[in-house]
Amino acid sequence: DAKTTQPNSMESNEEEPVHLPCNHSTISGTDYIHWYRQLPSQGPEYVIHGLTSNVNNRMASLAIAEDRKSSTLILHRATLRDAAVYYCLGGGFQKLVFGTGTRLLVSP
Amino acid sequence: EAGVAQSPRYKIIEKRQSVAFWCNPISGHATLYWYQQILGQGPKLLIQFQNNGVVDDSQLPKDRFSAERLKGVDSTLKIQPAKLEDSAVYLCASSPTLYEQYFGPGTRLTVT
Repeated sequence: DAKTTQPNSMESNEEEPVHLPCNHSTISGTDYIHWYRQLPSQGPEYVIHGLTSNVNNRMASLAIAEDRKSSTLILHRATLRDAAVYYCLGGGFQKLVFGTGTRLLVSP
Repeated sequence: EAGVAQSPRYKIIEKRQSVAFWCNPISGHATLYWYQQILGQGPKLLIQFQNNGVVDDSQLPKDRFSAERLKGVDSTLKIQPAKLEDSAVYLCASSPTLYEQYFGPGTRLTVT
């Protein structure tokens, strides 16, 4: 499983876009990039995943670098409900190895 | 669609006592996981079931932790005897295999 590196914390203002970076330089060619988030006092929640191409869903967008050594989770308009710890993971679907993630603070 | 259910939500026990947690996964999900999340850290996988068989229990402290999945549906995780360092949130997750995992709300265990 790929080791990932994320900033400990980031801050954003409400209704502004947020770009959450992740480095995964040891990722293999078949490893997916997954993002989960964990709101206070809840279990982690799936956000998005991708392999090579950029991906969009109703929650977020995932931009994957061409060399796949880094990726960015994009929240297009942050809301107060997006305040959470965001985890970037590399690997298969069944062996998720969580790091400490990025704590996103959203101010009104 | 109902989510992953876990009970109890909170449990306080003294060290050396035993405790059990229960998980009901999303209907039809073949894969079930138990994670331990210590305060300030990300979740750590303890055990993974595929239907009622164990796929991975390499990080389960087998001298005190045990888990079973009855008839490939519900699962229980037991700790006996508990230690202070077992204080954590125990998360159950399920997935329809090779897809994203769906997590329950967790059980917060405090060992005094």
